[in-house]
Amino acid sequence: GENVEQHPSTLSVQEGDSAVIKCTYSDSASNYFPWYKQELGKRPQLIIDIRSNVGEKKDQRIAVTLNKTAKHFSLHITETQPEDSAVYFCAASRLRTGTASKLTFGTGTRLQVTL
Amino acid sequence: DTGVSQNPRHKITKRGQNVTFRCDPISEHNRLYWYRQTLGQGPEFLTYFQNEAQLEKSRLLSDRFSAERPKGSFSTLEIQRTEQGDSAMYLCASSLGQGTTEAFFGQGTRLTVV
Repeated sequence: GENVEQHPSTLSVQEGDSAVIKCTYSDSASNYFPWYKQELGKRPQLIIDIRSNVGEKKDQRIAVTLNKTAKHFSLHITETQPEDSAVYFCAASRLRTGTASKLTFGTGTRLQVTL
Repeated sequence: DTGVSQNPRHKITKRGQNVTFRCDPISEHNRLYWYRQTLGQGPEFLTYFQNEAQLEKSRLLSDRFSAERPKGSFSTLEIQRTEQGDSAMYLCASSLGQGTTEAFFGQGTRLTVV
């Protein structure tokens, strides 16, 4: 089955700096890679996702890159703000037409943005 | 709140007791997932439904666990003869299907087995 590794487990940056979180996956058939943000005591919420037919996707201060050959993908947050402090999870999935697809999550990165 | 709803939010039970959790997905979402999350870990897949059909079960789901989605709407997850190792956050998620991919999570049910 799929295995997703995520690094670092904790990340502390100063407000305004950039943050990068990296994940690797094992199943070459995985083709969908979402990133979830989970604030303390709250539900995971999707912040950005990427499919395997693109190499990069950007949404304002957040971007995700995918290297299919190396089987790794990364989350980039620029101009970090205190409200970016949370736990971030990467995930991988094999999307198949007409059926549901489970997500395999990484172990999470606790991001702390300090003033 | 029209998101995924889970009840109860918290459950404390004695070892050996049975517990049941409920998940109400977003209306018209035909796909429903159960995940388990322990402290410091990412959610782990347990099982999923497409409408009322349970399509896959993880090896994590021992025979003490059972899930149902009888009418293709809400779902229940039952744990029989609870053990301390069952203590975790149980998350439910739903997605629309039909080519869309985003899974929306509920706030979870935190189970503590004492």
